[in-house]
Amino acid sequence: EAGVVQSPRYKIIEKKQPVAFWCNPISGHNTLYWYRQNLGQGPELLIRYENEEAVDDSQLPKDRFSAERLKGVDSTLKIQPAELGDSAVYLCASSLDADSGGYTFGSGTRLTVV
Amino acid sequence: QKEVEQDPGPLSVPEGAIVSLNCTYSNSAFQYFMWYRQYSRKGPELLMYTYSSGNKEDGRFTAQVDKSSKYISLFIRDSQPSDSATYLCAMTNTNAGKSTFGDGTTLTVKP
Repeated sequence: EAGVVQSPRYKIIEKKQPVAFWCNPISGHNTLYWYRQNLGQGPELLIRYENEEAVDDSQLPKDRFSAERLKGVDSTLKIQPAELGDSAVYLCASSLDADSGGYTFGSGTRLTVV
Repeated sequence: QKEVEQDPGPLSVPEGAIVSLNCTYSNSAFQYFMWYRQYSRKGPELLMYTYSSGNKEDGRFTAQVDKSSKYISLFIRDSQPSDSATYLCAMTNTNAGKSTFGDGTTLTVKP
């Protein structure tokens, strides 16, 4: 069984440019999460989806970040425009449901904004 | 103050040593307690999770939860160089539907 697949693995962009990250969760996992991990810190939740519905986006900076999960499967996270402080690893995770005891994470997208 | 505080490390031990990794938390609503292992440039990998106070063992790993003290630990016996990684504790509030992570402890096991 394939795990959570993310692409690209690495991205370097200039500030003010747009960027998008893609995630394909484990088949059958209804809950999908986007986390951001800064260097030396634990992951912090950006948004949680139950199927195609965003049920918790309270930590998503909505002025520049957007996300979608079409048909309740793949998801895309977008930043426009990117700022220097957005440099981080963006992790996608999935689980069968939000009550599960743990998530399966992808390898992440390492974003560098210069 | 963060909801989850993790001993920062880094931690360096000789091969074969017993390792103790620890976290404290402040939110009584946390119901699941997890430990993840994260290798460099990889995503976190779930090692163990527990729902209640007490001990849970899986091979060389033992997870311990003390809800009365709001304290969790992960013990690694007979540590191996392949255990060298960053270990993240995490706790889930199912009412909120999300996990909160500690900042991780980086462990190096020297041959």
